Amino acid sequence: GDSVTQMEGPVTLSEEAFLTINCTYTATGYPSLFWYVQYPGEGLQLLLKATKADDKGSNKGFEATYRKETTSFHLEKGSVQVSDSAVYFCALSRGGYQKVTFGIGTKLQVIP
Amino acid sequence: DAGVTQSPTHLIKTRGQQVTLRCSPKSGHDTVSWYQQALGQGPQFIFQYYEEEERQRGNFPDRFSGHQFPNYSSELNVNALLLGDSALYLCASSLAGSQSSYEQYFGPGTRLTVT
Repeated sequence: GDSVTQMEGPVTLSEEAFLTINCTYTATGYPSLFWYVQYPGEGLQLLLKATKADDKGSNKGFEATYRKETTSFHLEKGSVQVSDSAVYFCALSRGGYQKVTFGIGTKLQVIP
Repeated sequence: DAGVTQSPTHLIKTRGQQVTLRCSPKSGHDTVSWYQQALGQGPQFIFQYYEEEERQRGNFPDRFSGHQFPNYSSELNVNALLLGDSALYLCASSLAGSQSSYEQYFGPGTRLTVT
């Protein structure tokens, strides 16, 4: 079945550091790929998406590129801020019924 | 434009009891999905409702059931609660058949604690 593997956290970075959170997936066909963010005490928010190979999703300074050859969708940001502290989930959706399969989540803590 | 709303925010139940959680989808959406998020884990798909029918189901026992109403709102029912049912229950809505039908909008969740 479908699965998403992402790096275990927590990840602790200093403000303005470069961020990479690795994500790989297993799925048949051509899934859509997502990064969701969950701030403390809140629900999930869609951060960015990519629907086909080589697409780059971007939002709020975050980027991720759909790499079908390596089945990866790594999240990057050039300069993190304290306000980026949250849990980040890599996810995929395949097929018309839109079920979303999530990774375990990576907690990011940014310190001043 | 109201987003996805869920009620109640928090709930405490005793083992063996039954619980009903409610969800109103984002305005204009017709599909509702439910997820269970255990502490420190990613959300796990429970089931999805469209046109008042259960369209897809994850690996959850029959104790978990749901309903969708004509106004697209939805309920999640859990019978014979177990301690392991303690989790954050998330509702997500989307619009079937749209170009962005794969995008799901999540509510803030209901935190269920079973004692």
